[in-house]
Amino acid sequence: NAGVTQTPKFRILKIGQSMTLQCTQDMNHNYMYWYRQDPGMGLKLIYYSVGAGITDKGEVPNGYNVSRSTTEDFPLRLELAAPSQTSVYFCASSSWASRNEQYFGPGTRLTVT
Amino acid sequence: DAKTTQPNSMESNEEEPVHLPCNHSTISGTDYIHWYRQLPSQGPEYVIHGLTSNVNNRMASLAIAEDRKSSTLILHRATLRDAAVYYCILTYGGATNKLIFGTGTLLAVQP
Repeated sequence: NAGVTQTPKFRILKIGQSMTLQCTQDMNHNYMYWYRQDPGMGLKLIYYSVGAGITDKGEVPNGYNVSRSTTEDFPLRLELAAPSQTSVYFCASSSWASRNEQYFGPGTRLTVT
Repeated sequence: DAKTTQPNSMESNEEEPVHLPCNHSTISGTDYIHWYRQLPSQGPEYVIHGLTSNVNNRMASLAIAEDRKSSTLILHRATLRDAAVYYCILTYGGATNKLIFGTGTLLAVQP
């Protein structure tokens, strides 16, 4: 299993541009999550999903959108990028049976200038 | 959401046990205690979790105080690879298991 994969690894955006961060898991997990981590800080939950077609907001959802059309994929959309969205973004997944154990991807480092 | 308090940093010597403390005085009866760690430039990695009883797995042990207001992650023999930020996290025992990360404890391991 590849686990949780994220693309791209790095990206630089100009203010006002849009992009989609991709996240795919091959473990057939029901739950998927998006977090952001600012320098020297812990992770903050942006959005999460408990299954295909179901998404909900986390702590810091403003400026982001998500969709979950399949079990495997959970893309994160940034519209009108702002410098405050410069961060490292992590995707994670967990199964219903072992939902206390989240598996994280390697992250996407995003810079908005 | 209930909060956790951890020391900012700790040091250990290689091959010695490490006890990482966490205070969570406002924990509720349904909150699980989780530990994750994050190695440099990587995503967090699950370590262990528990509710009331002490827990052991291949990576570590989790000792939970009787009143559940504190817990300790125990690494039995630290290795250089254990140098990481360790997060103590509480989650509501519901379906979604949202993790609320603090700033964690930076563990340095000296050879």
